[in-house]
Amino acid sequence: ETGVTQTPRHLVMGMTNKKSLKCEQHLGHNAMYWYKQSAKKPLELMFVYSLEERVENNSVPSRFSPECPNSSHLFLHLHTLQPEDSALYLCASSQEAGQTNSPLHFGNGTRLTVT
Amino acid sequence: AQSVTQLGSHVSVSEGALVLLRCNYSSSVPPYLFWYVQYPNQGLQLLLKYTTGATLVKGINGFEAEFKKSETSFHLTKPSAHMSDAAEYFCAVSGRGNKLVFGAGTILRVKS
Repeated sequence: ETGVTQTPRHLVMGMTNKKSLKCEQHLGHNAMYWYKQSAKKPLELMFVYSLEERVENNSVPSRFSPECPNSSHLFLHLHTLQPEDSALYLCASSQEAGQTNSPLHFGNGTRLTVT
Repeated sequence: AQSVTQLGSHVSVSEGALVLLRCNYSSSVPPYLFWYVQYPNQGLQLLLKYTTGATLVKGINGFEAEFKKSETSFHLTKPSAHMSDAAEYFCAVSGRGNKLVFGAGTILRVKS
């Protein structure tokens, strides 16, 4: 039990589909994150939410749309993706977004394949 | 600005041998340093962290790391490798006011 649960674990979608990734944390944390992990590339921070407010958006294309309805849930809505968007998408949480000495707690990720 | 360099994208050791994974960082502020491990088909899990205080940090699964300011290093070690240690290891640095930056990762292979 990681404390951070991501669904689905695997997703295959065509370039014209719309799908959503879901993340839920049971740790009472106030900050949640989306990361993209591609082969042979460092982890890329996509979005940061603090108490449901987006505090960071790292130049992510608009085909990725995050949503944080409350501090325990985070979604990543996907539409008109490209094959290069295929990757492992990791959700993470931490106590506070600005508390940089606090570790991140990660979910097991969603393996996304865009065909 | 901060950055992390992990020397060696792949490291191979024999079971029972010393594990040494290298991490060097640059930081404009006193760093907070982390090692994470990622097993196949899983997310990242915290192994250990250094924020302040003792420079030798002990983590889970018998791993430890030493913060050496003069060398800007935070190398990860384990005296005796187990097959179950095979995974990818990530070093990361942050600091007061600075967001977390990850290294590119080192894949550890353990040979029987």
